[in-house]
Amino acid sequence: GEDVEQSLFLSVREGDSSVINCTYTDSSSTYLYWYKQEPGAGLQLLTYIFSNMDMKQDQRLTVLLNKKDKHLSLRIADTQTGDSAIYFCAEKRARDSNYQLIWGAGTKLIIKP
Amino acid sequence: GAVVSQHPSRVICKSGTSVKIECRSLDFQATTMFWYRQFPKQSLMLMATSNEGSKATYEQGVEKDKFLINHASLTLSTLTVTSAHPEDSSFYICSARSRSLRGWDTYEQYFGPGTRLTVT
Repeated sequence: GEDVEQSLFLSVREGDSSVINCTYTDSSSTYLYWYKQEPGAGLQLLTYIFSNMDMKQDQRLTVLLNKKDKHLSLRIADTQTGDSAIYFCAEKRARDSNYQLIWGAGTKLIIKP
Repeated sequence: GAVVSQHPSRVICKSGTSVKIECRSLDFQATTMFWYRQFPKQSLMLMATSNEGSKATYEQGVEKDKFLINHASLTLSTLTVTSAHPEDSSFYICSARSRSLRGWDTYEQYFGPGTRLTVT
């Protein structure tokens, strides 16, 4: 199938690490993305990873990619209240002479005080 | 850089009327723009892809006569919901694609803030 799958909710305590997981289906995907959507706002590209990378770190964000299992994760260290948002995983898939992004349903990150 | 604006941010209209939503890339040229629809607790649904100067390509199940897309310039695309009905109420998001502003050989999509359409 075409699905990119994510859990719908994740609840963590402020200061803890958050790990948001995603599975995808197309082994030929070249790029995988994490987008953040804050309430009432548009989507913001957080980070992306090339398919030939296993890990990418950018300040508090760490992306891990397991190509064998087609599993992508986003770890947010020291989670803050400002991290409350919906996080979307997306894979870039070739389509005709173009490409399209296939989206997960989004994981709502809830921060407990 | 890479800002995409949408206007209006929120609109309420009566059933049977038409509504136009504008999407602009403010500081870059977007050869391709995408229109998405987002349902509560659901993923983004791609409605159509438009390339400047050519007809939009609609996804399966999206009525092209109902959702009119015009991509008249490299910085502007419009979505017109014609004869709107309550079931068209949704959050519509546009996205513009440019060659990576960071110089890597990749394209990046930048998203507008979305338009909340409510049809009464």
